[in-house]
Amino acid sequence: AQSVTQPDIHITVSEGASLELRCNYSYGATPYLFWYVQSPGQGLQLLLKYFSGDTLVQGIKGFEAEFKRSQSSFNLRKPSVHWSDAAEYFCAVGGNYQLIWGAGTKLIIKP
Amino acid sequence: ETGVTQTPRHLVMGMTNKKSLKCEQHLGHNAMYWYKQSAKKPLELMFVYNFKEQTENNSVPSRFSPECPNSSHLFLHLHTLQPEDSALYLCASSQDHGLAAEQYFGPGTRLTVT
Repeated sequence: AQSVTQPDIHITVSEGASLELRCNYSYGATPYLFWYVQSPGQGLQLLLKYFSGDTLVQGIKGFEAEFKRSQSSFNLRKPSVHWSDAAEYFCAVGGNYQLIWGAGTKLIIKP
Repeated sequence: ETGVTQTPRHLVMGMTNKKSLKCEQHLGHNAMYWYKQSAKKPLELMFVYNFKEQTENNSVPSRFSPECPNSSHLFLHLHTLQPEDSALYLCASSQDHGLAAEQYFGPGTRLTVT
């Protein structure tokens, strides 16, 4: 069955530190992969997506993600976080004309 | 208005009430979605409309009834809800209904069933 796992319910990072949010998926074919962000009181916004080609994809707000087929992972990274990055982050995989979503990781920024 | 709007933003209703959630997209998209978001759980896709036709219904209880009068508007009619239906209901739209389609989300309606 298709599934997406975000192992960390929440992560706390100091402002200016680097960030990596983990995402593992289970999907039979080559997946379409997405990262969305949800700021408090708002809907979800697409950060980046992977369909094919270069396994390192760049997104908005300075985020990037790397697709590793051998590890079934699509981890999200940012070299230096800002207080405005505090939000919830969702990984999703496209399958059977639906997006299969992870449960999200809440990012907390320490000043 | 731009993007995807949802009204109301907050709704409290009793189990015997009837209410409706409204979603409007100003992006010229052809597909619209209703999701349920509960704390610490993945988003649950409820319904999908593509060119005003319902294409997905993920075993949603009949107390939730969607309506899509045109490609820009989507409603979710609610009746005789249960307390476990309390959640954030998100509307989204995309240019088309495909695996690669970027979905644009509204801010959601926070529903509390008492």
